Amino acid sequence: EADIYQTPRYLVIGTGKKITLECSQTMGHDKMYWYQQDPGMELHLIHYSYGVNSTEKGDLSSESTVSRIRTEHFPLTLESARPSHTSQYLCASSDSNDNEQFFGPGTRLTVL
Amino acid sequence: KNQVEQSPQSLIILEGKNCTLQCNYTVSPFSNLRWYKQDTGRGPVSLTIMTFSENTKSNGRYTATLDADTKQSSLHITASQLSDSASYICVVSDRGSTLGRLYFGRGTQLTVWP
Repeated sequence: EADIYQTPRYLVIGTGKKITLECSQTMGHDKMYWYQQDPGMELHLIHYSYGVNSTEKGDLSSESTVSRIRTEHFPLTLESARPSHTSQYLCASSDSNDNEQFFGPGTRLTVL
Repeated sequence: KNQVEQSPQSLIILEGKNCTLQCNYTVSPFSNLRWYKQDTGRGPVSLTIMTFSENTKSNGRYTATLDADTKQSSLHITASQLSDSASYICVVSDRGSTLGRLYFGRGTQLTVWP
């Protein structure tokens, strides 16, 4: 089982709240990713990072922001949550050779 | 446009039976193809990874095949178990960027009944 963790696993909040989804990995991977997945749909890349102080936007436009101050930590923040942000958010990491992406268990976010 | 198409969208089989899931892709240039298993409410877990030169790879009761010429892959599950109930996702990686971009299929939802 991969050593990549996400908290919280489930989150229900009201519109307008600021939230941070946590993701940590203990594998020393340089590359980390955030995906958004709706039920029955494919994963969409929303953010990625090559390493510390490196962050890039992915294919799917997202109002969230990310930071990479430490190798093992890649949090995602929503400044003002809206119902359209309701989704599952998956964090992943890979080594520099991209041999495999390891996924965390995901955070199921519901914005009321 | 790089795409990954999976079929069937959903499948129901009885415990102990075999099944085969299909994946067609148009991703180019091709780097590797991966099959992931995703349990409901969980993150995907890798089953197999195949490069251009590999035709088949097994992981226990899971056997993946790859035909890079026709850009098709299949995942065969032998002697299915109730715990095989999950979504199976085909993922193709290109070599067009340093990111090694991944293209995800929508998955086949497999349900195994007792």
